Amino acid sequence: DQQVKQNSPSLSVQEGRISILNCDYTNSMFDYFLWYKKYPAEGPTFLISISSIKDKNEDGRFTVFLNKSAKHLSLHIVPSQPGDSAVYFCAARKGKEETSGSRLTFGEGTQLTVNP
Amino acid sequence: KAGVTQTPRYLIKTRGQQVTLSCSPISGHRSVSWYQQTPGQGLQFLFEYFSETQRNKGNFPGRFSGRQFSNSRSEMNVSTLELGDSALYLCASSSGSGSIYEQYFGPGTRLTVT
Repeated sequence: DQQVKQNSPSLSVQEGRISILNCDYTNSMFDYFLWYKKYPAEGPTFLISISSIKDKNEDGRFTVFLNKSAKHLSLHIVPSQPGDSAVYFCAARKGKEETSGSRLTFGEGTQLTVNP
Repeated sequence: KAGVTQTPRYLIKTRGQQVTLSCSPISGHRSVSWYQQTPGQGLQFLFEYFSETQRNKGNFPGRFSGRQFSNSRSEMNVSTLELGDSALYLCASSSGSGSIYEQYFGPGTRLTVT
């Protein structure tokens, strides 16, 4: 039962353009969503997050949008840079950490390639 | 502040053997979670330890176990290894409480079972 899905295994964009990575979820109990970036031979690095009470969160070149009715979130990277080439994971959690623990449910990941 | 460290980084074992992986969380973090990453499967949650107690458990067989020590360091053990256990095992630490939900990952241990 894949509760978090990233349907695009790969995405290729030109440097300077916008990258849009998508993520869908099925569990309406999820109340916090995160994006991680992963380079080969390294652990995932936290990028940006959003609470379910918001529909947008922005941090520099990265913006995450949440559409709760559609159970869909997306990560926008503008402008895209070659150094952004990595695997991007969407993750979700439910409940407060002190009561439900720190468990994250991850999507399968999307390989982003930004071409110079 | 030092990040999450995992040892060893690479490991080759034979089917039927057992293996122990180690994780040292960020100083002050009390929660340690373990994940398995295999190609096309994303990260699958194994279990979480908080203050030396297992707080959450994923859907993995009993061959996978773990523990946490009083200094928050954690170990993960896999007994009777199978070929399908070949994967990248990632450890993540967090404060374990409060409103900051980000987990910080170590570089992982690449386990190959032959």
